[in-house]
Formats: sequence, structure tokens, C-alpha cells
Amino acid sequence: NAGVTQTPKFQVLKTGQSMTLQCAQDMNHNSMYWYRQDPGMGLRLIYYSASEGTTDKGEVPNGYNVSRLNKREFSLRLESAAPSQTSVYFCASSAASGSSYEQYFGPGTRLTVT
Amino acid sequence: AQRVTQPEKLLSVFKGAPVELKCNYSYSGSPELFWYVQYSRQRLQLLLRHISRESIKGFTADLNKGETSFHLKKPFAQEEDSAMYYCALIQRTGRRALTFGSGTRLQVQP
Repeated sequence: NAGVTQTPKFQVLKTGQSMTLQCAQDMNHNSMYWYRQDPGMGLRLIYYSASEGTTDKGEVPNGYNVSRLNKREFSLRLESAAPSQTSVYFCASSAASGSSYEQYFGPGTRLTVT
Repeated sequence: AQRVTQPEKLLSVFKGAPVELKCNYSYSGSPELFWYVQYSRQRLQLLLRHISRESIKGFTADLNKGETSFHLKKPFAQEEDSAMYYCALIQRTGRRALTFGSGTRLQVQP
């Protein structure tokens, strides 16, 4: 049981390049989330998916797109990377049912845009 | 809009001293509050949640609705408590995503 996995762990992009961050969970969770972590700002929600087939914008969605490929996988795409997107990206998942809203986090992807 | 405030960026204490990490929130309804912890080179993990009223690794947190606070406390800090601590809330209806505070780094010195 790996929990939440993310690839890649590190990435360096040039301004204008595109890339997709992959996330998968093996806990049969309904909900999945993408956050970015910046110094002094905590974690901010980029996009989330309450269930397979649905996605919704979070607090800072500009410059990103997401795909909930199936129940297990939730990817984040940067179409044209900008230096302001230099950050650590975390994927999380949650059963989000009953009284259980605990979120489980992946190890993170450290992205640098030059 | 909901908001979580952690006023201290860094809290440095000596081993054995009491610790209190402050968290205040603003939310119009009745939220669920959590503390998450991130140890060096590890992923973010849940420390405790207010609804379970439990003590984890000696830490406790009481929800004070009057003061809209959810401070994290431990009577005697240990060096292994050094980490980044995040207070977070989730609304009970609608979007079920966490709103995080900016985090407090706890440094426990020997």
C-alpha cells in the first residue's frame, strides 16, 4: 500500500515549457487535490476533484489544468510555465465521506522555472 | 471567506519547555480544525483533529469557538518535535478542501 505517489520528485523547466505532474493513490479515495507550497504562504489549493469525472478550481488555478483520469489518478498540467510557478506541489487524497475528511499527502514535486 | 492565521513564523524553545503554537481562524459556519506536521524531508501528515479530542505525541489542541482559536500545546517539548506545523480548517458543507495557515516552524534546542 503505497498511499499517494507523485512523479517526478524534481523538475527544472524553462519559461514557456509545459509539463504534467502525475499523482496516483491506492486507497480507493473519492477526492483528490493539488496544492502548492510557497515559503510564508502555507499550502494553497490549486484544483480539486470531489469524485471521478469532476474537477473544480481552488484558490490559485490560473496557469494550471487538471485531469481526473480515473479514480486513482489526478494529473496537473502547466501549459506554459512561468517563474511564478516555482514551488513545491503536493497531491492529496481523501475518502471525504462520513466523518472522515483526513487528507493523505504525497511526497511532493519540487519545480523550478527559470 | 475562510481564513487561518498562524502569527508566528518561527518558535524556538529549549527541550523540556512548554510549547504553544497559535492558530486563529475566521469562518462563518462551524468548521473542522486540524493540525498537520511536516518533519524534515517527510511528507505532510495529520497530527490531530479537533473532533477526536485526542492527544498525539503529547500534543493537544482545544477548539475555542468564542476566541476562534485552535492552539496546539505540549507541556514538555522534545528535540524530535522540531518540524513545520500547519493549522488547517475544512468547511462542513460544499467544497471539502483544506484551508491552511502559513505554518510555524518549531525548533527545539537541546
